[in-house]
Amino acid sequence: DAGVIQSPRHEVTEMGQEVTLRCKPISGHNSLFWYRQTMMRGLELLIYFNNNVPIDDSGMPEDRFSAKMPNASFSTLKIQPSEPRDSAVYFCASSLRTGQGFNEQFFGPGTRLTVL
Amino acid sequence: GENVEQHPSTLSVQEGDSAVIKCTYSDSASNYFPWYKQELGKRPQLIIDIRSNVGEKKDQRIAVTLNKTAKHFSLHITETQPEDSAVYFCAARQTGGGNKLTFGTGTQLKVEL
Repeated sequence: DAGVIQSPRHEVTEMGQEVTLRCKPISGHNSLFWYRQTMMRGLELLIYFNNNVPIDDSGMPEDRFSAKMPNASFSTLKIQPSEPRDSAVYFCASSLRTGQGFNEQFFGPGTRLTVL
Repeated sequence: GENVEQHPSTLSVQEGDSAVIKCTYSDSASNYFPWYKQELGKRPQLIIDIRSNVGEKKDQRIAVTLNKTAKHFSLHITETQPEDSAVYFCAARQTGGGNKLTFGTGTQLKVEL
């Protein structure tokens, strides 16, 4: 298995532009998570999905951020319009949620976003 | 919601010494506590985890202990090696929170030769 796949790996954009980050979870996994990592705030959960349905988006910073999961093998995180303070590494993670619920989250390689 | 505090933020040890990282959590209903290791420029990777019905778990040089009464858990690394140098994150999962994890702020461990 290729693991969690994210694209692009690096993104440099100008303030005000739309940014779309993409994630392909591990095949068969039914939970997907979007995290943001910065030096100041550490690793923050933005939103997570179970079976393609958003369960908790309380970590989404503001309306400029949106996430979708149209099917079990693809998710996007969109920022529109982007701002310099959005610069961070964005990780996608997936896991297999079973009846026990205690399953490892596997992280993708991350997308390093720089907003100028 | 859950709040996880992690100490210390940085830790420097000599090769061969032990390292201990401590975390506390706020929600007594949390029942799963993983530890992730993140090397520079890489993704976080699970190194060990513990469930609330267990007090201690060991995997070679790594061990985790859990004190539910005090709501704290610790990572112990023995016989440290240079390749142990990384940032370590603890996390806690709340019961009924899906598989949502709340992470600590991380500990930068440096193992010096």
